[in-house]
Amino acid sequence: EAGVAQSPRYKIIEKRQSVAFWCNPISGHATLYWYQQILGQGPKLLIQFQNNGVVDDSQLPKDRFSAERLKGVDSTLKIQPAKLEDSAVYLCASSQAGGRNTEAFFGQGTRLTVV
Amino acid sequence: KQEVTQIPAALSVPEGENLVLNCSFTDSAIYNLQWFRQDPGKGLTSLLLIQSSQREQTSGRLNASLDKSSGRSTLYIAASQPGDSATYLCAVRPYTGNTDKLIFGTGTRLQVFP
Repeated sequence: EAGVAQSPRYKIIEKRQSVAFWCNPISGHATLYWYQQILGQGPKLLIQFQNNGVVDDSQLPKDRFSAERLKGVDSTLKIQPAKLEDSAVYLCASSQAGGRNTEAFFGQGTRLTVV
Repeated sequence: KQEVTQIPAALSVPEGENLVLNCSFTDSAIYNLQWFRQDPGKGLTSLLLIQSSQREQTSGRLNASLDKSSGRSTLYIAASQPGDSATYLCAVRPYTGNTDKLIFGTGTRLQVFP
């Protein structure tokens, strides 16, 4: 079974530039999450999708971050404009429908460095 | 507000030792608790998932216990090996409305030396 796929693996941009990350969840997983992990901290949820609808985006800085999940499969996370404090690893995860009692599976992450 | 704490923050042990990693959480209203492993520069690998009604789960040399009422979980690693060196994260899934997000601790960085 293929895991959660993310790209790119690494990205270096200058502040005020824009960047986009892509995620392909495990086939059949209805729930998709984007987490942000700052160095030395645990991951924190940015946004959760159930199919192509948003369940929770309360921690997403909506003035600069946006995310979409067209057709309920792949998802993209965009930052525009980036700030230095956005330097982090962005992790995508997925779980089956009714995710509360199921495992969450994570991708390899995208390491973003903003200079 | 749910908070997850992991102790110790770092641990260095010789190969072959049995060790215990600790995780505590402030609110016992959770669906489940999940332990993950994270290698440097990599994503998270799920190790064990314990439902709120369960007391423990085992996988190979790993055993995780859950005491929901006291807000504690432990991950026991038997006969540690250098390949076990990684950061171990615990996360709880709290009862919070429609979302089923995970709340993570900051992790325990484990080094097992030969």
